[in-house]
Amino acid sequence: DIQMTQSPSSLSASVGDRVTISCRASQTIASNLNWYQVKPGRAPELLIYGASTLRGGVPSRFSGSGSGTDFTLTISSLQPEDFATYYCQQSYITPQFTFGPGTKVDI
Amino acid sequence: QVQLVESGGGVVQPGKSLRLSCAASGFTFSSYVMHWVRQTPGKGLEWVATLSYDGRNKYYADSVKGRFTISRDNSRNTLYLQLSSLRPEDTAVYYCARDNYDSHAYFYFDYWGPGTLVTVSS
Repeated sequence: DIQMTQSPSSLSASVGDRVTISCRASQTIASNLNWYQVKPGRAPELLIYGASTLRGGVPSRFSGSGSGTDFTLTISSLQPEDFATYYCQQSYITPQFTFGPGTKVDI
Repeated sequence: QVQLVESGGGVVQPGKSLRLSCAASGFTFSSYVMHWVRQTPGKGLEWVATLSYDGRNKYYADSVKGRFTISRDNSRNTLYLQLSSLRPEDTAVYYCARDNYDSHAYFYFDYWGPGTLVTVSS
């Protein structure tokens, strides 16, 4: 099984800050990496798929990069609505779609 | 627009059963692979089960294999998850999600429901 790790597990930031979240796979997953945003009581939302493709309608302040085993989600200028938990997910080995443990972004 | 709404959650004793439903609308349900994912308290997201568009191919996480059953009724645009032999560690918010992929064959879960809470406790 592919294991996913994320760092940091949580971070505190302010509106306007640049935020970077890392995700690492235990083996190469090429670019089969997705990022999701989860807020309490709401449906999770897909942000990025294929490591770097921004889903339609997602603000351009979100970006993804990386391939192989190391990936990054960047929020260029944090907005109030971005305070949430972010998860990476590998889709290289299906259907065992492994998620990372999450990174909580708060004030 | 695409909408997924889960129902059926609640408080249940260990060893008992529960059936979750996911009502889909806004898309051709019978054309899509569907998933169940759960989020346990204090932990992250865990993929639970996947079902092919026609209901023939089912896949489960090791943690639920033999206890949970995924199914669908394409005539009712509804996905189900039968939870049996429940354990306290099954306590979680359960989400249904739609599968999709792009021209590069990158797979992802593009729509999710808001989830339904299952609490396993005596």
